[in-house]
Amino acid sequence: DVQLVESGGGLIQPGGSHKISCEASGFTVRNNYMSWVRQAPGKGLEWVSIIYSGGMTFYADFVEGRFTISRDSSKNTLFLQMNSLRAEDTAMYYCTRVSPSRYGGPGEFAQWGQGTLVTVSS
Amino acid sequence: SFVLTQPPSVSVAPGKTATITCEGINIGSKSVHWYQQKPGQAPVVVIYYDSDRPSGIPERFSGSNFGDTATLTVSRVDAGDEADYYCQVWDSSRDLWLFGGGTRLTVV
Repeated sequence: DVQLVESGGGLIQPGGSHKISCEASGFTVRNNYMSWVRQAPGKGLEWVSIIYSGGMTFYADFVEGRFTISRDSSKNTLFLQMNSLRAEDTAMYYCTRVSPSRYGGPGEFAQWGQGTLVTVSS
Repeated sequence: SFVLTQPPSVSVAPGKTATITCEGINIGSKSVHWYQQKPGQAPVVVIYYDSDRPSGIPERFSGSNFGDTATLTVSRVDAGDEADYYCQVWDSSRDLWLFGGGTRLTVV
């Protein structure tokens, strides 16, 4: 069975940096599209970043160069390094496996972890 | 940029049909995926590629996509269908993944 387990959330001061992780099982991270989606408290879903199997990465406009998505094949783990954090980055961060589209490229966010909560506050 | 607009809330009586819309300019030219999120849980795909159901999703869930509107339809609604529903597309021209603002389905 596919399983995604996020970790590393916590309380971070504005302007600080933090790294969250997502350990995968049941499939190989490096062979899949992997993405981070976040949800601020009481708000909707918001896509953050994606990494393709070939290593290409894309980010939402609000990231503005502050976040970096990466993976460690030896640990079958996805990461999100977040710098220059702002109060508006406070959210539950979900790790997702994206299915390949039947038309080429990425498809739907097929599997989700339970999320890790990042709170940015002084 | 491409924007997806959903009604904030939809209410329906048990046993009736709920219709949730997702509007975007020429959304019919894109593949739309729908997610259900119950309180305290991660989202789950209920419809992908406009109208296909993943295994395990009841036939009561269906979808369509034409012109500027994609639609999620839930037939014979019961209390277990109460949740937030989100539409999602990939804007391939800008490599952006977009969600609608979400619709809360309430069974009254």
